[in-house]
Amino acid sequence: EIVMTQSPLSLSVTPGEPASISCRSSQSLLHSNGRNYLGWYLQKPGQSPHLLIYLGFNRASGVPDRFSGSGSGTDFTLKISRVEAEDVGVYYCMQGLLAPQTFGPGTKVDIK
Amino acid sequence: QVHLLQSGAEVKEPGASVKVSCKTSGYTFTDYYTHWVRQAPGQGLEWMGWISSNTGATNYAQKFQGRVTMTRDTSISTAYMELNRLTSDDTGMYYCVRDRHADYWGQGTLVTVSS
Repeated sequence: EIVMTQSPLSLSVTPGEPASISCRSSQSLLHSNGRNYLGWYLQKPGQSPHLLIYLGFNRASGVPDRFSGSGSGTDFTLKISRVEAEDVGVYYCMQGLLAPQTFGPGTKVDIK
Repeated sequence: QVHLLQSGAEVKEPGASVKVSCKTSGYTFTDYYTHWVRQAPGQGLEWMGWISSNTGATNYAQKFQGRVTMTRDTSISTAYMELNRLTSDDTGMYYCVRDRHADYWGQGTLVTVSS
């Protein structure tokens, strides 16, 4: 199975400052159709996870443009241009290329 | 709007089975696969498998092979996940999720396995 890793595992950010999370996969997530099957999710405290980014860089409906995804192959990054208090929670990456679909361990983000 | 509504919390004894339902609305049920993801208390997310809402074909994570059964009822746009031979390690939140991109999630069903 494809193993997903994330760094850092925890992050404390000052509001208004940028933040960045890295996600790496043990195999390339680039499909023959040219798309990277990598998604980013945020699980706020006490809530279900929700989709932020799909196919590596596409923002899901309603996601603020301060969130952006980049990368290809095995290395991906989620960036928050200016962190807001509502962005606290655990961020997960997930590969959807091959079954079993696998998640990274999560990055816990809190506010300083 | 897309909505996935799951059944309520369950408490089961070790060795028992649990069946969780996921009633969908706001989209054509048979156009999307339904996936199931679980989360142990305080832990990360674990993919369990998927069912083709159209054909009923399934693909289970090896860890759950032989213990999990995913089904669906297209007449009521509902997917089901049944897990057998429960142990305390199965305690956690179970989510139904739309499609491989996991673009919509149910609210979760808490399953507690305890004697």
